[in-house]
Amino acid sequence: GAGVSQSPSNKVTEKGKDVELRCDPISGHTALYWYRQSLGQGLEFLIYFQGNSAPDKSGLPSDRFSAERTGGSVSTLTIQRTQQEDSAVYLCASSLTVGELFFGEGSRLTVL
Amino acid sequence: TQLLEQSPQFLSIQEGENLTVYCNSSSVFSSLQWYRQEPGEGPVLLVTVVTGGEVKKLKRLTFQFGDARKDSSLHITAAQPGDTGLYLCAGAKLDSSYKLIFGSGTRLLVRP
Repeated sequence: GAGVSQSPSNKVTEKGKDVELRCDPISGHTALYWYRQSLGQGLEFLIYFQGNSAPDKSGLPSDRFSAERTGGSVSTLTIQRTQQEDSAVYLCASSLTVGELFFGEGSRLTVL
Repeated sequence: TQLLEQSPQFLSIQEGENLTVYCNSSSVFSSLQWYRQEPGEGPVLLVTVVTGGEVKKLKRLTFQFGDARKDSSLHITAAQPGDTGLYLCAGAKLDSSYKLIFGSGTRLLVRP
């Protein structure tokens, strides 16, 4: 597809379980972002990847959160030992130039 | 800390009415963007403003960047039901222009 693809679109998990969320950016986009959105609110920055540079992880809320970007393309956001407050929509975006972000449809995570 | 405050948080108007949404901060941004998000989808970029005092028009939408580059407004003329959605402003920080800081959003409902 031509757009940013995220999977799964919905994930329900039990408290304490680990989850992985995947993002496939637009081909050729060197920058990749993860944001978190809680119940129709604004977006909270989590992490930024740019090419082979060290990622900006300053937005990750705790050490239970981690992200990788393999081969400069696909990215995986991992949340370990999920908590109820982790419930949110996790949005991935990619960009070619600074500032113009193209978002996927998001992965809705519900932690019971 | 919410760097960008949007107002109003929610707006319900009749088709044909005009409206203005505000995005305010005490911080200076290198640029500011406006996105619109519909349910179940990711935000979609509407416009980017870069220069203080800049005004951009997109059909019935008029965007303005404050002279000091700390605030912005979005004005919609003769709103239509298709304008319904969550409007998000996002500022690019001076020291890390790749990192967009999003406002809390304005949810607009245009009734037919």
